[in-house]
Amino acid sequence: GNSVTQMEGPVTLSEEAFLTINCTYTATGYPSLFWYVQYPGEGLQLLLKATKADDKGSNKGFEATYRKETTSFHLEKGSVQVSDSAVYFCALSRGAGSYQLTFGKGTKLSVIP
Amino acid sequence: NAGVTQTPKFRVLKTGQSMTLLCAQDMNHEYMYWYRQDPGMGLRLIHYSVGEGTTAKGEVPDGYNVSRLKKQNFLLGLESAAPSQTSVYFCASSYGRLGDYGYTFGSGTRLTVV
Repeated sequence: GNSVTQMEGPVTLSEEAFLTINCTYTATGYPSLFWYVQYPGEGLQLLLKATKADDKGSNKGFEATYRKETTSFHLEKGSVQVSDSAVYFCALSRGAGSYQLTFGKGTKLSVIP
Repeated sequence: NAGVTQTPKFRVLKTGQSMTLLCAQDMNHEYMYWYRQDPGMGLRLIHYSVGEGTTAKGEVPDGYNVSRLKKQNFLLGLESAAPSQTSVYFCASSYGRLGDYGYTFGSGTRLTVV
């Protein structure tokens, strides 16, 4: 079946540090890949997505590239801010026409001034 | 604001009590979902619906029932609450082509069963 594995947190970084959150997946076919962000006390929000191999999703300074050869979708940001403190979830769907997402367990990021 | 609205936001139940969580969306989405979120477990799918009048089981359906009588509403019921159902519950909705649009989530319901 489909599964998503994320690096375990929590991750604590100083402001302006470089961020990488690893995500690898197992899936049949050609899934679409997502990163969601959950700020304290809120629901999940779509951060970025990629629907085919070698696609790069980007939003708010975050980036992730769909690597089919390594089955990975690592999240990166060059310079984090305190406001980026949140829980980040990697997720996959089974591709166009699918209607279910499989989520990783989430990685909590804390950014300190 | 348009989106997914969940009620209530917080609830405390005694073991054996029943309750219904309401999810309403105003985006004309066909698909709706109920997830539970537990520490270290991520999000797990309870039930989902692919359209008005339809429901299906997800990964952890036991102890829950759902109904989708109207396209915009998706109800999650607990007939006899148990402490193991203490969790944060999220409703979500989506268009058919999930790969293009992903999900829109509600802000969650925090349920405590004592």
